[in-house]
Amino acid sequence: AQSVTQLDSQVPVFEEAPVELRCNYSSSVSVYLFWYVQYPNQGLQLLLKYLSGSTLVKGINGFEAEFNKSQTSFHLRKPSVHISDTAEYFCAGLNYGGATNKLIFGTGTLLAVQP
Amino acid sequence: EAGVAQSPRYKIIEKRQSVAFWCNPISGHATLYWYQQILGQGPKLLIQFQNNGVVDDSQLPKDRFSAERLKGVDSTLKIQPAKLEDSAVYLCASSSLAGDYNEQFFGPGTRLTVL
Repeated sequence: AQSVTQLDSQVPVFEEAPVELRCNYSSSVSVYLFWYVQYPNQGLQLLLKYLSGSTLVKGINGFEAEFNKSQTSFHLRKPSVHISDTAEYFCAGLNYGGATNKLIFGTGTLLAVQP
Repeated sequence: EAGVAQSPRYKIIEKRQSVAFWCNPISGHATLYWYQQILGQGPKLLIQFQNNGVVDDSQLPKDRFSAERLKGVDSTLKIQPAKLEDSAVYLCASSSLAGDYNEQFFGPGTRLTVL
């Protein structure tokens, strides 16, 4: 079955510390992979995407992710977090074919940045 | 450029009542999506339109949910009758083209509470 797995439901971290949010995908999901951020009471905003090419992808707000085909992973990282990074983060893969363009989301990871 | 608009932002109803949500996509976007996001889960695609035609409604509970996009622009999603398990955030998204990857832009969502 197509699936995207986020191993951590919540990640507490102190401000200015580094963080990694983990994501694994099933091989049946296409290797179009995404990270979205959702701030409270808001919709989803695209942080970054991997479609092809370099396995290290840089996104907005200082985030980056590395596509690792052998480990079927797409972990999100930031070297130094801010209070304003507190939000829910979703990893997603694309079920793509013909006219279908369906995003398969993980269950989300709440990043809680503490002062 | 205006984003995806949704209304209402919040709705509280009792079970067995009916409810409707409205979405206005980004101007010129041919593809429109409705996602259901239950608390603690990632968004799940309910239905995808391309212009005014349905591309994918495989996960839409058709006994109680319906959606339309009559003029290929804005869309409504209806639930009749609502059940307790329909409590969720309903997200609308749009993209400029399906069949080739194009970024999906999300609206702020409608939070439905069924009592």
